[in-house]
Amino acid sequence: DTEVTQTPKHLVMGMTNKKSLKCEQHMGHRAMYWYKQKAKKPPELMFVYSYEKLSINESVPSRFSPECPNSSLLNLHLHALQPEDSALYLCASSQPGGQRNTEAFFGQGTRLTVV
Amino acid sequence: DAKTTQPPSMDCAEGRAANLPCNHSTISGNEYVYWYRQIHSQGPQYIIHGLKNNETNEMASLIITEDRKSSTLILPHATLRDTAVYYCIVRVANNNNDMRFGAGTRLTVKP
Repeated sequence: DTEVTQTPKHLVMGMTNKKSLKCEQHMGHRAMYWYKQKAKKPPELMFVYSYEKLSINESVPSRFSPECPNSSLLNLHLHALQPEDSALYLCASSQPGGQRNTEAFFGQGTRLTVV
Repeated sequence: DAKTTQPPSMDCAEGRAANLPCNHSTISGNEYVYWYRQIHSQGPQYIIHGLKNNETNEMASLIITEDRKSSTLILPHATLRDTAVYYCIVRVANNNNDMRFGAGTRLTVKP
């Protein structure tokens, strides 16, 4: 199983809503990533978890709150978002960088629209 | 900050080899070169990676110059399904797992 599963595929939320994005993998990967991608732009790194600990936070606003409850799951909690936060949110996983096979596997993303 | 420079776009005729260049002149000795591609509206897909030796797999070949300051991804027989944005990423092999995308090259394979 080389799949990274993201749910939901599409999400429309109001600016006062609280929602969560979910990402799951069963490849035994111990590094998991969140990216944000706007149209016609490259993915932009948001957060990285290594061995279930937050190793990179790219100064993301606090209205985005990541969580890694176990080695297979990664969540992104959303609260009080702005319309400019509308984007494709991508999750990825890989073996940690100190190991040989560190290619990352990406999910298909959650397309988020903030209204 | 992206550590790589790629041409913004390239065209290739179907059935011909596509050669995609990447400049990574500030690469460090412990940094690998990775290539991914992203077909419209899908998640990026891993293609190949290398440290200093040339690499080949079922998808592509990776040629890294001796000084490691640049590399070329080669798709030997491009098909229409290879139309995508191709990203070259430099990534250090440590547990920080810092993996950032540059602007990439939009490859269009034409019939």
